[in-house]
Amino acid sequence: DTGVSQNPRHKITKRGQNVTFRCDPISEHNRLYWYRQTLGQGPEFLTYFQNEAQLEKSRLLSDRFSAERPKGSFSTLEIQRTEQGDSAMYLCAYGGPTYNEQFFGPGTRLTVL
Amino acid sequence: RKEVEQDPGPFNVPEGATVAFNCTYSNSASQSFFWYRQDCRKEPKLLMSVYSSGNEDGRFTAQLNRASQYISLLIRDSKLSDSATYLCVVVGDSSYKLIFGSGTRLLVRP
Repeated sequence: DTGVSQNPRHKITKRGQNVTFRCDPISEHNRLYWYRQTLGQGPEFLTYFQNEAQLEKSRLLSDRFSAERPKGSFSTLEIQRTEQGDSAMYLCAYGGPTYNEQFFGPGTRLTVL
Repeated sequence: RKEVEQDPGPFNVPEGATVAFNCTYSNSASQSFFWYRQDCRKEPKLLMSVYSSGNEDGRFTAQLNRASQYISLLIRDSKLSDSATYLCVVVGDSSYKLIFGSGTRLLVRP
């Protein structure tokens, strides 16, 4: 039972296709984060929203990646022209009551063939 | 050098054992520290925050050594259900970006 849901949970796509993931906080959370995790590594920060404002993007987020959070509620992460190196777990997190605490959703596992 | 470094393990221990993990971080300006637990193919879950004075939660004790820039997690009386990957986390300069280590895998055997 997490404070965010993510859809889809699994996505298999062919190289070159576009994919979009969605993160839905169950209740209102001002702070929302996206991370990416590859096998054997810890999650890596991608981007951060304070309400609807995107305050930071990691250099990991190439021009093929875009994230939005319209109206400060749900968020989407789109990857254009997917590459095999994009295969990873994409995790959404929300900020907890203590400023730096973050709680993760179940993730979307992307496989690019 | 990675910003947060952990021994990947695995640590293979019998039930009831005490096991300790260490983690080192490179940014001396870091202010917040956490341990997360991650089960196979699941999301990371916050285990505990790490305070300068150290903190304890049941069988788990976390310590911070700012001078040496390392964080530790001690698990007493290990249970089978403690088997997981333990991720050391440091809050970056931006005060909202979590920087994860690669994790230490723990296997508790009967």
